[in-house]
Amino acid sequence: KQEVTQIPAALSVPEGENLVLNCSFTDSAIYNLQWFRQDPGKGLTSLLLIQSSQREQTSGRLNASLDKSSGRSTLYIAASQPGDSATYLCAVRHSGGSNYKLTFGKGTLLTVNP
Amino acid sequence: GAGVSQSPRYKVAKRGQDVALRCDPISGHVSLFWYQQALGQGPEFLTYFQNEAQLDKSGLPSDRFFAERPEGSVSTLKIQRTQQEDSAVYLCASSPGTSSFYTDTQYFGPGTRLTVL
Repeated sequence: KQEVTQIPAALSVPEGENLVLNCSFTDSAIYNLQWFRQDPGKGLTSLLLIQSSQREQTSGRLNASLDKSSGRSTLYIAASQPGDSATYLCAVRHSGGSNYKLTFGKGTLLTVNP
Repeated sequence: GAGVSQSPRYKVAKRGQDVALRCDPISGHVSLFWYQQALGQGPEFLTYFQNEAQLDKSGLPSDRFFAERPEGSVSTLKIQRTQQEDSAVYLCASSPGTSSFYTDTQYFGPGTRLTVL
């Protein structure tokens, strides 16, 4: 059974700092890995999707990397801003049976202090 | 265009009551998913529809949970005889293609927060 772990569970940083969020998964048979942002009372917003054949994806100040063989992904946020405060979730999509399912980690709660 | 919408946004039920949660996916999206997110946890898969066909209901916690999508568009998740452990946020997501379109992303609604007293 696929398990996804996110470290740290919570992170508080001053504005302007660069930071890294970590995600690990136990089964490397995946189609892709996705990073989401969740704001209180709101749904999930997709930030970056990395296909299994890719090593990284970038969008603005965000960069996500994927090392499928070791079962790890990182989300790098450059020059953090208070508006980045949210819960960040990573999810993997399996390549075996039931390949439409996403398996999520518990998330990292990020607080960026002005 | 409009995203995925869900109603109600908040629902308080007394233990034993039946509830119905509605999801309006993005127009034209073939696939629809329901997830349950308990407090402090990531979302967990409940069920999957491709058009009106429910292809996977393996994540439904018990036979008190029932989902339908009769015309391949709007979906309803029904919970009978609610229990306190059913308290969670119920998220709906849709995606454009079928399950074979593994590059598709899932677009999530805002969720319905269910509290069972």
